[in-house]
Amino acid sequence: QSVLTQPPSVSGAPGQRVTISCTGSSSNIGANYDVNWYQQLPGTAPELLIYGNINRPSGVPDRFSASQSGTSASLAITGLQAEDEADYYCQSYDSSLNGWVFGGGTKLTVL
Amino acid sequence: QLQLQESGPGLVKPSETLSLTCAVSGGSISSSTYHWGWIRQPPGKGLEWLGSVFYSGRAYYNPSLKSRVTVSVDTSNNQFSLKVKSVTAADTAVYYCARLGGDSEVAGFWFDPWGQGTLVTVSS
Repeated sequence: QSVLTQPPSVSGAPGQRVTISCTGSSSNIGANYDVNWYQQLPGTAPELLIYGNINRPSGVPDRFSASQSGTSASLAITGLQAEDEADYYCQSYDSSLNGWVFGGGTKLTVL
Repeated sequence: QLQLQESGPGLVKPSETLSLTCAVSGGSISSSTYHWGWIRQPPGKGLEWLGSVFYSGRAYYNPSLKSRVTVSVDTSNNQFSLKVKSVTAADTAVYYCARLGGDSEVAGFWFDPWGQGTLVTVSS
């Protein structure tokens, strides 16, 4: 099992809003280490979606936003589009492991 | 634009050593700003960080694999490498290389960009 916990799947209809949670502990998110998010489209490599908890790289639509509080983080996608169907991963640093950790991933299905 | 490209055998026999190289183009691996990392993804599963290296050679490893993994850097050829020894079927995965960077301390780093990945199958 992953150090960061994500729901295995979420779904929503086009135009709706969905959120994906990422739950950690006091040695990672709770220790104020930044959370980053990645989008992995089918058959492709992951791509950076959010960095430093809340920041979007250039080219990422503002439909994607993220937040962090306590030992958890959350990714929100508004105005859901068919092209958003992908796997999403959170990532942080863990001081107990002295290394970088990922969530187990969440598969987003656009209905 | 920085690009990374993994290369190496697609098939490795059990108990042998898996060796991959990541060629970096469009930027220098000797930058003091970035680290360079390896991540793998077993078929149908999630991402697992394996190890990372700085241009000086300083390396960080996933504790669960530390005894089997070595990551090294070759600044003269602008590339870095991964070795996983004593492989089993559980090491079958798509292996990605990526640049690791961020705004401040190493613990806050993120992986960007990623290579396209290479599938390594462990089988006799």
